[in-house]
Amino acid sequence: GENVGLHLPTLSVQEGDNSIINCAYSNSASDYFIWYKQESGKGPQFIIDIRSNMDKRQGQRVTVLLNKTVKHLSLQIAATQPGDSAVYFCAELKQGAQKLVFGQGTRLTINP
Amino acid sequence: DAMVIQNPRYQVTQFGKPVTLSCSQTLNHNVMYWYQQKSSQAPKLLFHYYDKDFNNEADTPDNFQSRRPNTSFCFLDIRSPGLGDAAMYLCATSSDRAFTDTQYFGPGTRLTVL
Repeated sequence: GENVGLHLPTLSVQEGDNSIINCAYSNSASDYFIWYKQESGKGPQFIIDIRSNMDKRQGQRVTVLLNKTVKHLSLQIAATQPGDSAVYFCAELKQGAQKLVFGQGTRLTINP
Repeated sequence: DAMVIQNPRYQVTQFGKPVTLSCSQTLNHNVMYWYQQKSSQAPKLLFHYYDKDFNNEADTPDNFQSRRPNTSFCFLDIRSPGLGDAAMYLCATSSDRAFTDTQYFGPGTRLTVL
């Protein structure tokens, strides 16, 4: 069936290290992917997006990689800071569909 | 310069007492969405409007209704809240008819049902 999911529900990293959050999807027709960050008690905040005609996109301290061969998406956060602590969701938008499909979410915690 | 505004941020209601949650946007986006998010879960789409066209998700209970009187405002009405309706309710907007554009979320309204 169609699914967007995350491999790990929790991820703990040392402050200053790089973080990698993974996401798998099963629908090859998906053509747009978004990463959201959700801090406790707040709404999801857009981080970065990527379309299916790309395999990499970089933002400030973040990079999204898309591997269409294995239907895998990842979010890399460089030099992780305490403010990066949050739940991270990947979301998939299928061509012609009218809604985002959210993954399970990964909780990122930063160790001092 | 908030773009998607939700009021109130926290709402407490009694079991069975109707409640209305409000969302407004300054982005002039065509599409507005309502999501329900329970603890430690992903947001779940309830329904969305493209302009005035209402699109209900198949599994959204009849207890949930929505109104969009104009481009800027959208309301979520819960006619008879049950204990299971306690959740964070998120409003989001996007501009693109093809739904290939980013959705921008509001801060959410936390609903408590006593």
